[in-house]
Amino acid sequence: DVKVTQSSRYLVKRTGEKVFLECVQDMDHENMFWYRQDPGLGLRLIYFSYDVKMKEKGDIPEGYSVSREKKERFSLILESASTNQTSMYLCASSSLVNSANEQFFGPGTRLTVL
Amino acid sequence: AQKITQTQPGMFVQEKEAVTLDCTYDTSDPSYGLFWYKQPSSGEMIFLIYQGSYDQQNATEGRYSLNFQKARKSANLVISASQLGDSAMYFCAMRGVRGGATNKLIFGTGTLLAVQP
Repeated sequence: DVKVTQSSRYLVKRTGEKVFLECVQDMDHENMFWYRQDPGLGLRLIYFSYDVKMKEKGDIPEGYSVSREKKERFSLILESASTNQTSMYLCASSSLVNSANEQFFGPGTRLTVL
Repeated sequence: AQKITQTQPGMFVQEKEAVTLDCTYDTSDPSYGLFWYKQPSSGEMIFLIYQGSYDQQNATEGRYSLNFQKARKSANLVISASQLGDSAMYFCAMRGVRGGATNKLIFGTGTLLAVQP
């Protein structure tokens, strides 16, 4: 069964802290994605990666960075957390193999920055 | 620019009835894919159905079907025989040629469906 896991379901951090959100997939997918979800805005792409050590900015990369040292793991880093980064963060992965190439999502991390 | 529009913030439907969730899209790509995802209150995003822009027939998956009208740029999701477990947020998404091999998706703002007994 396809599986994407995220390190935490809920996280509370203080303003200015460095925050790491981890995502692991066990499907040998080439592509991995980080989104944030806010009410009324849908999902917005922060960063994505199409291969190990490769990354590209999405639509809202400001204040975030990513790391992909291994194919199965994609980390989102908030260098200095701010209150406007309070949100639901969703990780996803997809393969190049099938025609639909649908993205498989993790359970999400609800981050609160105080 | 590519865009997905879901104009229904929320909807009610009676159990066992059919419901249509609207989705319109805008793209200049000749080839694209359209997706619907379901997000229950637990938060995980569940893939429901996919329609390729060159597919001749409307996609169906069990009780889900996608009413694809290419000329009108609409990709409505039809859920037949609604069940209480269908209560969730539903997102329409599109992948265009610009997404390339990375399969980037653009999402709409979602429709919250409440199924009433």
